[in-house]
Amino acid sequence: GQNIDQPTEMTATEGAIVQINCTYQTSGFNGLFWYQQHAGEAPTFLSYNVLDGLEEKGRFSSFLSRSKGYSYLLLKELQMKDSASYLCAVRDSNYQLIWGAGTKLIIKP
Amino acid sequence: ETGVTQTPRHLVMGMTNKKSLKCEQHLGHNAMYWYKQSAKKPLELMFVYSLEERVENNSVPSRFSPECPNSSHLFLHLHTLQPEDSALYLCASSLILAGEGNEQFFGPGTRLTVL
Repeated sequence: GQNIDQPTEMTATEGAIVQINCTYQTSGFNGLFWYQQHAGEAPTFLSYNVLDGLEEKGRFSSFLSRSKGYSYLLLKELQMKDSASYLCAVRDSNYQLIWGAGTKLIIKP
Repeated sequence: ETGVTQTPRHLVMGMTNKKSLKCEQHLGHNAMYWYKQSAKKPLELMFVYSLEERVENNSVPSRFSPECPNSSHLFLHLHTLQPEDSALYLCASSLILAGEGNEQFFGPGTRLTVL
């Protein structure tokens, strides 16, 4: 079966760095997405990786290793507004998105 | 208006009611999606439309009936729902169904409670 694993919840301190991991087992691979979802709001697109390596976008970076079926989202200089759920999704060989259950990130002052 | 809008934002219904959820996208996209989001579970893809044709129906019970009259509008008709259908229903759109990048843009969702 297809599976996306990510931690259920993480806690970090304002101003610090946090890494959210995502491992996947899917039938084929056509890209990996990270989305941010604040409580009661729509998921919003953060990043897309299709080739191995690091993609940097401001305070957020996303890394992919296709051989290991592994990605992480790195958040630097954490702010209180970064408290949200972070969803990892992989597009399989049928171009269907397979979603993880999300990681709830709690930022403490 | 911009992006993807959904109405209503909240809906409470009895098991014998019939109601409809509406989604509208103002992005000129050609693919639209219905998802169900339950607490602490992955997003469940329910239906996919591409150019107004249904291309995916992931074993969704017949009490959920989608309708896509044009590429900008998507409806989800609900009837004789069960309490376990209570969830957040999200609509999304993307430029095309498949292809490089092609992230999905989500609406704010409808919080559905079935009594």
